[in-house]
Amino acid sequence: DAGVIQSPRHEVTEMGQEVTLRCKPISGHDYLFWYRQTMMRGLELLIYFNNNVPIDDSGMPEDRFSAKMPNASFSTLKIQPSEPRDSAVYFCASSLGTGIHQPQHFGDGTRLSIL
Amino acid sequence: AQKITQTQPGMFVQEKEAVTLDCTYDTSDPSYGLFWYKQPSSGEMIFLIYQGSYDQQNATEGRYSLNFQKARKSANLVISASQLGDSAMYFCAMRGDNQGGKLIFGQGTELSVKP
Repeated sequence: DAGVIQSPRHEVTEMGQEVTLRCKPISGHDYLFWYRQTMMRGLELLIYFNNNVPIDDSGMPEDRFSAKMPNASFSTLKIQPSEPRDSAVYFCASSLGTGIHQPQHFGDGTRLSIL
Repeated sequence: AQKITQTQPGMFVQEKEAVTLDCTYDTSDPSYGLFWYKQPSSGEMIFLIYQGSYDQQNATEGRYSLNFQKARKSANLVISASQLGDSAMYFCAMRGDNQGGKLIFGQGTELSVKP
């Protein structure tokens, strides 16, 4: 079975540029999560969706960040304009519901470097 | 507030030996789930094992088992017969039933298996 698919795996871009990260969740999973991982702050939840609707975006750091889920099989996380402090690994995860027994399954992550 | 604490930044274990990775948690939710994830140097996050707060027995999954002590609020991961491929970061995480979809992660423990 296909897992969560993220693209690109690596992205290097210059400060000020727009960055778009992509995610395809596991088929049938109705929850999708975006995380950011840094050495300083560990794993942070940015936003999550249920049935394509954003439920909680309280972790989105600022207005430069936006996320969309136009359909059940695709989501994007966009940073515009990007800054060096946005450099991190960004993970997408999906789960079948949010019951306490439901694990989240992660993609391989996108390693983002902003120069 | 929910919190996960992993007090061991790094651990070493000899190949074929067993190792215990510590995890303590704090929550006011009446029921919750505890998860362990492995992150090898390649970066992906791999779900290992789950323990529910009302489960009577400790969870086991192959060489992984959970030493769950509810009264002490601990959910330690035990890896038996360590292999070189077990070298990785290990994260403990929790989801409470009043927290929507949010998974709270600990800081992680870096495990190194020595030949």
